[in-house]
Amino acid sequence: GQQVMQIPQYQHVQEGEDFTTYCNSSTTLSNIQWYKQRPGGHPVFLIQLVKSGEVKKQKRLTFQFGEAKKNSSLHITATQTTDVGTYFCAGKVSGGSNYKLTFGKGTLLTVNP
Amino acid sequence: EAGVTQFPSHSVIEKGQTVTLRCDPISGHDNLYWYRRVMGKEIKFLLHFVKESKQDESGMPNNRFLAERTGGTYSTLKVQPAELEDSGVYFCASSQFTSGGALREQFFGPGTRLTVL
Repeated sequence: GQQVMQIPQYQHVQEGEDFTTYCNSSTTLSNIQWYKQRPGGHPVFLIQLVKSGEVKKQKRLTFQFGEAKKNSSLHITATQTTDVGTYFCAGKVSGGSNYKLTFGKGTLLTVNP
Repeated sequence: EAGVTQFPSHSVIEKGQTVTLRCDPISGHDNLYWYRRVMGKEIKFLLHFVKESKQDESGMPNNRFLAERTGGTYSTLKVQPAELEDSGVYFCASSQFTSGGALREQFFGPGTRLTVL
């Protein structure tokens, strides 16, 4: 079945440093979504990427979708303590009307003030 | 607008007992999803409703799990009998209807933390 691998599993940074998490799928994706889960909270939608090579920015966050639509990344510039949490990518397999999202294991980001 | 709500927030039961989890999606959201996250692992898809119909239940672990969404509003997920490996956080999410396989953002509930002893 489809697998979505996400690395690293954990990342600890000093406040002000950059952070990147990577997502790779074993199959071509039609969409990829990113979610953030704060400690003790629930996943909250950040963004969806649909087009090959797409890049989207939200303030200090930059999201990319690979040309082959099999990988994606989330980059945070100059991390802040409010960025702490687990970042999940979630992909939908190309084709069909299946609405199923396959999540990666997430990257837990901790930020030292 | 109220978000997705789930009840209970925590449940501790013994192996062999039955537990029913409830999810109330955002009003007007036709899509309702159940997920489970075991500590340190991925958020695993369980099933998907469109209104009252099960669209995809490929992620349901086995026949001890039964999900319903009568009337297309709230949903329940029953585990009977519960086993140790069923422990985890069960999330419900809802999204607006789309056609042709297009995805919308999913709004997650706070989750139910289930512990089976």
